[in-house]
Order: sequence, then structure tokens, then C-alpha cells
Amino acid sequence: EPEVTQTPSHQVTQMGQEVILRCVPISNHLYFYWYRQILGQKVEFLVSFYNNEISEKSEIFDDQFSVERPDGSNFTLKIRSTKLEDSAMYFCAIGGNSPLHFGNGTRLTVT
Amino acid sequence: AQSVTQLGSHVSVSEGALVLLRCNYSSSVPPYLFWYVQYPNQGLQLLLKYTTGATLVKGINGFEAEFKKSETSFHLTKPSAHMSDAAEYFCAVSDLEGGGTSYGKLTFGQGTILTVHP
Repeated sequence: EPEVTQTPSHQVTQMGQEVILRCVPISNHLYFYWYRQILGQKVEFLVSFYNNEISEKSEIFDDQFSVERPDGSNFTLKIRSTKLEDSAMYFCAIGGNSPLHFGNGTRLTVT
Repeated sequence: AQSVTQLGSHVSVSEGALVLLRCNYSSSVPPYLFWYVQYPNQGLQLLLKYTTGATLVKGINGFEAEFKKSETSFHLTKPSAHMSDAAEYFCAVSDLEGGGTSYGKLTFGQGTILTVHP
């Protein structure tokens, strides 16, 4: 059983629409991360989240992106107005003082 | 800033042959190094890690890697390839300068697709 479950597994949306990607860890964790992988490119760090705050973010994580833990368990990534270039695989990960455990990812396709 | 280079985007071996996937890194501090594997339509699974101590580390599925500081390398090997090893493999280095959540801020290489022929 995976330590991290991501939903949905696939998401197709139109350009300009908002999307919310969800991540549910199997047990309580304090450290959360989002990564993305554009097809054919490297896996890239987006943001880290600790104690209900963003602790670090990359240049990719601009004002169109946000993260939160709305109910203390789910961890979400929101893209407010999607662009074609947001099409990618998005991975949630949990960790901290141990190697990251990744979810199976959400494949986002923006048309 | 850290960087990772994986030599060879595709590696093809015969079943039973040695697997060697190359990884070189750059880091301004002693690195934490990782190999992850990604099977089709799945997430990234940790194969092995190097933090401190013994430079030869063993992982799951018979894989191992050796940290060589002088060569800034962390190559992944397996003595005998199985068909089930076919996947994409990623080398990654952890950003330790910030501490805390930076343990999980990984810089990945571009990945190496391993194909295993019967």
C-alpha cells in the first residue's frame, strides 16, 4: 500500500481553468513536497511545505500556484489559471529527515 | 547549487548482463545521494541512498551504488539484469545547505531508461 495517494490520476482541463491536485498521506506527516515532470524533461522541485507553511519554493512556483492542507490531512496543489505549459506529471512527496516517498502522480493535460 | 548528470539517456542490456548506470553530481557541501526508479505509470520508488558512512550502499532488487568523492560519482550497478528491471532510473542529490525541509529538496538527473533484452 503506497504511503501517499494522489487524486486524480489523470486530469484534463482547458487553458485558463483552475485545477486542484490532491495528496493524501497514509499517516501523519509534517513535511510535504510537490514536484513536476514535464514530458521528456527532468523531475523538478516546486515547493516544500512544513508545519502548514511554505518553507521553500522554486522559480516555477509563481503566483498561479498555491498549496494548503485544508483539513490537516489532505495536501493540495492549486493552479489558478492553467497554461498549456503546465501540462506535466505532478508528484506529491512526504519526507523530512528521511528519503522522500512519492505518490504515483497526477497527469495534468491542459488543452 | 547542486546539479546531477546522468550519462546516457538510454541503456540497453541483455538479461543476465551487468547493469551500469552512471551519475555524476556537483555539490558545494557533502551530498546526500539517491537513486529512484520509475516503472510505467507509477511514482518514483527509492532504490537506495547514500548519506554518510560506508561508500558502497546496497538497495532493493539487488542494486548497489558506490559514492566516490574524488570522482563526484554515484554510479548504480547490478550484477545480473532481469527483465523486471526495465524502467527509468533517476539519480538525485539533496540540498542540505538549508536544513529542515531542504533534505527533501532534490535535484534530479534527466533519467536513464533501462531496456533489458531476453
